[in-house]
Amino acid sequence: EVQLVQSGAEVKKAGESLRISCKTSGYTFSSYWIGWVRQMPGKGLEWMGIIYPGDSDTKYSPSLQGQVTISADKSISTAYLHWSSLKASDTAMYYCARTIAAPGSKFDSWGQGTLVTVSS
Amino acid sequence: DIVMTQSPDSLAVSLGERATINCKSSQSVSYSSNRKNYLAWYQQKSGQPPKLLIYWASTRESGVPDRFSGSGSGTDFTLTISSLQAEDVAVYYCQQYHSTPLTFGPGTKVDIK
Repeated sequence: EVQLVQSGAEVKKAGESLRISCKTSGYTFSSYWIGWVRQMPGKGLEWMGIIYPGDSDTKYSPSLQGQVTISADKSISTAYLHWSSLKASDTAMYYCARTIAAPGSKFDSWGQGTLVTVSS
Repeated sequence: DIVMTQSPDSLAVSLGERATINCKSSQSVSYSSNRKNYLAWYQQKSGQPPKLLIYWASTRESGVPDRFSGSGSGTDFTLTISSLQAEDVAVYYCQQYHSTPLTFGPGTKVDIK
């Protein structure tokens, strides 16, 4: 069974750094892209970026380029989303999701979400 | 970037009645080489992550009830729930995976009338 299990909720202050994780199982980690999707409170879904763990090829949304860093560790089948300096506007639910191609395929499995709350 | 729009923003339908959601892309999300439409539909219930319902605009994901169907091509797409059930209350999103940045529609909230 394919599973994407995300790290727990975080409460941080503006200016702090943060890394959240997405641990996968049930499939070959290196053969699928892992994307990150943001959902701000009461809002819709926003694609942030995506990584192919096989060769670390990474693509970012132009609107978020430079704001976050996406990485992956093949040895533990885990993808990460990292902020070096959080802002209050980063308060949101963050989802990881799997796709076989980017672009080119749908997100067929999703993590349960990680709620990040940033106070100013 | 391909901009996705949806209509209506919300709708309320009686149990057993049909619900129809429209999705429009700012440019075609199909390739002439394979005639496939790079369009998916997701369902998000309150407090849950999105769930894939439909891909290639009209292919139902395994396990999705057949009351859900997708249609359309090019820039105009439709998600239809043929007979609304109580468990279908959710927000529905379309998403194009034709090109990056991958983009979602703003969502359509479906409720029971």
